[in-house]
Amino acid sequence: EPEVTQTPSHQVTQMGQEVILRCVPISNHLYFYWYRQILGQKVEFLVSFYNNEISEKSEIFDDQFSVERPDGSNFTLKIRSTKLEDSAMYFCASSGRDRGNQPQHFGDGTRLSIL
Amino acid sequence: AQSVTQPDIHITVSEGASLELRCNYSYGATPYLFWYVQSPGQGLQLLLKYFSGDTLVQGIKGFEAEFKRSQSSFNLRKPSVHWSDAAEYFCAVVLSGGYNKLIFGAGTRLAVHP
Repeated sequence: EPEVTQTPSHQVTQMGQEVILRCVPISNHLYFYWYRQILGQKVEFLVSFYNNEISEKSEIFDDQFSVERPDGSNFTLKIRSTKLEDSAMYFCASSGRDRGNQPQHFGDGTRLSIL
Repeated sequence: AQSVTQPDIHITVSEGASLELRCNYSYGATPYLFWYVQSPGQGLQLLLKYFSGDTLVQGIKGFEAEFKRSQSSFNLRKPSVHWSDAAEYFCAVVLSGGYNKLIFGAGTRLAVHP
């Protein structure tokens, strides 16, 4: 069964540094998402992406965050200048053709640790 | 305010016992409903989903869930729990007609005693 893959599984970064989290969604999916889960808290929506543009973003997704689909397979989340509170598990997800009527498939996540 | 509530933070059951995990949502219209499971260090795996039609839906690993519109609930059940079911379970909704963002409950951590 096709799956969403995320790299790296764990990223340790100094505060203030830029970090790029990478995701390869399921190949025929059209909608892409990033979520995060701070340790011990609920999973929170960050951003959705469709047709090469952001379709929705949360309050968390401020100017320090950006997403890109640089080629036909990768979907990246960049944090420009990391803060301690960015430490979390970041999940990428993708879903198929129909906007609301398709479940999202998640990757195993990237654990981001900011020192 | 729109929300998803999982009232039980932590549940412990004995292996072989039945299980019910509660989920309530607060939205004006019926959303699309999901249950995901997260094993330690793993991503989120879809257990089952409800979009419309039959209010009792079957999922993977022997789980089922029942949508009750009158109670705004979507409780997850399993008749006989296995030790491998120990994990965290998340109820989530998508607002129909929206951009498909998932709104998650806080999760219920399930422990299984032998």
